[in-house]
Amino acid sequence: GESVGLHLPTLSVQEGDNSIINCAYSNSASDYFIWYKQESGKGPQFIIDIRSNMDKRQGQRVTVLLNKTVKHLSLQIAATQPGDSAVYFCAENHLDSNYQLIWGAGTKLIIKP
Amino acid sequence: GAVVSQHPSRVICKSGTSVKIECRSLDFQATTMFWYRQFPKQSLMLMATSNEGSKATYEQGVEKDKFLINHASLTLSTLTVTSAHPEDSSFYICSARLAGQYQETQYFGPGTRLLVL
Repeated sequence: GESVGLHLPTLSVQEGDNSIINCAYSNSASDYFIWYKQESGKGPQFIIDIRSNMDKRQGQRVTVLLNKTVKHLSLQIAATQPGDSAVYFCAENHLDSNYQLIWGAGTKLIIKP
Repeated sequence: GAVVSQHPSRVICKSGTSVKIECRSLDFQATTMFWYRQFPKQSLMLMATSNEGSKATYEQGVEKDKFLINHASLTLSTLTVTSAHPEDSSFYICSARLAGQYQETQYFGPGTRLLVL
């Protein structure tokens, strides 16, 4: 496994607006992608996942979009709430990796009142 | 479902002592658990993959004699930081993969904050 990036990008969003967090991945063999939310001082929390045979998946207030052509993944959060403040990580996995996850750098989401 | 616990949540120890961290999958069996280390404002760094009943697989640069991993059952893995030094201070997080399914999703524990004085 590897971690990527030493700098944490930040996204500030007005409460009630939609948030879009982006992630680029590098391995075209990756076939499974996960978004995690990590609040300060806590472990990552599973949000939503998507397999490479899909391009969109929806959950409660969240949508993940996958564009395999440009190797891009996004997480959309509808009607952002103060409780959504956290660092969001994308992670990718492929069959040859022994279930290890390759992590993105993370994006810190800040909610403005 | 898919709850993972870690104990302790926070530990302060003196340099040279050993610290054991437990990771438990509470409502599922996990043949594979992972141990991560995380520095402030950084992503997770995989230290080792722990497989039940066999030796752990360590990532490059991680000393297996310093970070002892034991995965004695399908619900418990332990990480022992031996002869801890201040540079070992970090946030240690475990995760568990659901067993018996084609399922790559890892569920994470709440983390253990280690401070070595």
